[in-house]
Amino acid sequence: GNSVTQMEGPVTLSEEAFLTINCTYTATGYPSLFWYVQYPGEGLQLLLKATKADDKGSNKGFEATYRKETTSFHLEKGSVQVSDSAVYFCARMDSNYQLIWGAGTKLIIKP
Amino acid sequence: GAVVSQHPSWVICKSGTSVKIECRSLDFQATTMFWYRQFPKQSLMLMATSNEGSKATYEQGVEKDKFLINHASLTLSTLTVTSAHPEDSSFYICSASKGLPYEQYFGPGTRLTVT
Repeated sequence: GNSVTQMEGPVTLSEEAFLTINCTYTATGYPSLFWYVQYPGEGLQLLLKATKADDKGSNKGFEATYRKETTSFHLEKGSVQVSDSAVYFCARMDSNYQLIWGAGTKLIIKP
Repeated sequence: GAVVSQHPSWVICKSGTSVKIECRSLDFQATTMFWYRQFPKQSLMLMATSNEGSKATYEQGVEKDKFLINHASLTLSTLTVTSAHPEDSSFYICSASKGLPYEQYFGPGTRLTVT
């Protein structure tokens, strides 16, 4: 079926570590892909997006590349900070322009 | 800009009563508002989409008579859970869009507990 699968958390890292949160999707065609972030006590925010294959979305040091060969959109950051602690959601857009969500990955960064 | 608020942030109610949750776009006019439900460790489930002044479009499996949505203005949408039961306990999240469907601005959510 059409779904978004992301790695189960929580993911716990030390400050300045390299981060990867995996996300894969199933869909017909090449849907737009997104990463949203939810900081503690706040609403979800769009972190980055990619609308076509091989596009790279980036924001706040985070990057994700749209890989159609592997149907993936993994989130990466070279050096995480304590302030990056949050829940990260991968999502794709369906043909009705609605967002299909992954389950979310909680990221905990320890000083 | 693009701030969305929800009220209340948490509510506890008794089984059989009704609860209203408000979603407001504070600094923009929202052409469309969305209501989601989130279960622990699960993804957001879209419940319904509403445009100002028209009836909400409910997703398959969502009871429209139980989850009443009113989108009376470009800055306010309400979700009323009628005759609540313990299985309605969940985290309800709203979002608002200025136009582009993926640019949704989310509220902080409302935790509903039905006893």
